[in-house]
Amino acid sequence: DAGITQSPRHKVTETGTPVTLRCHQTENHRYMYWYRQDPGHGLRLIHYSYGVKDTDKGEVSDGYSVSRSKTEDFLLTLESATSSQTSVYFCATLRDRGNSNQPQHFGDGTRLSIL
Amino acid sequence: AQSVAQPEDQVNVAEGNPLTVKCTYSVSGNPYLFWYVQYPNRGLQFLLKYITGDNLVKGSYGFEAEFNKSQTSFHLKKPSALVSDSALYFCAEVTTDSWGKLQFGAGTQVVVTP
Repeated sequence: DAGITQSPRHKVTETGTPVTLRCHQTENHRYMYWYRQDPGHGLRLIHYSYGVKDTDKGEVSDGYSVSRSKTEDFLLTLESATSSQTSVYFCATLRDRGNSNQPQHFGDGTRLSIL
Repeated sequence: AQSVAQPEDQVNVAEGNPLTVKCTYSVSGNPYLFWYVQYPNRGLQFLLKYITGDNLVKGSYGFEAEFNKSQTSFHLKKPSALVSDSALYFCAEVTTDSWGKLQFGAGTQVVVTP
C-alpha cells in the first residue's frame, strides 16, 4: 500500500473539546482524502486535498477543518467535538487525479468516541 | 446526485458455495467502479476495478465482478466461498468531477459458515 499511517488509532474525548487526527503518507501521493465510516452509510467524504495548502469540502464537511502544510501530512480537526462525530475515520491517498482509474490506498483508521 | 446501492446489508453463504454481492451504480457514460474489502479493525483493501473493456473483471483472492451497463450493475462474485472471505464489502464509483473522489455504497457484510 502507500505507506499510510493514521494517528491516533483510538481516541476517547469529551463533547466540546478540540480533536486533531493525523494522516501521514510516505509515497508522495498528491491527493489525500478524509472519510468517515458509519453503519448504514458506508464511507462518506469529509474533505480532500489536491496539493499542499489546496483543500476542498466533501459531502459531510460541517464541523470539520483540514490542513495540509506538507505533501506527506493531512490533518483533520474537529474544532469542538460533538457526539454525532463519533465514528471511524479513514485517510486515503491517490497519486494524482489523472490516476482516478487507480484505486485509492487506505490507512487503518482512527476510532473516535465522543462522550 | 450520484449514488451507489448495495441492496443487501448481509449475505450468508455456506463454505464452498458461490458468493454474490450486489451493487448498482448511477454514473452515466463510462463509470470507473471499484470493489473493496474490509476486515475488522483494518482499512479498505482493493479487490478489483472496472475501467473499460471486458465486462468480466478478475481481481484478488479469486474474486471477479461482472459489469452490466444496461442494468447499471457491478456485482461481485466468487465461485466457491471460504470462511476467510467473511468481511465487509464495499462497492464504489469515481465521481464525475474528476477529483478522484469515491462515492461508496453502504456496504454488505458477508458471512461464510463452515
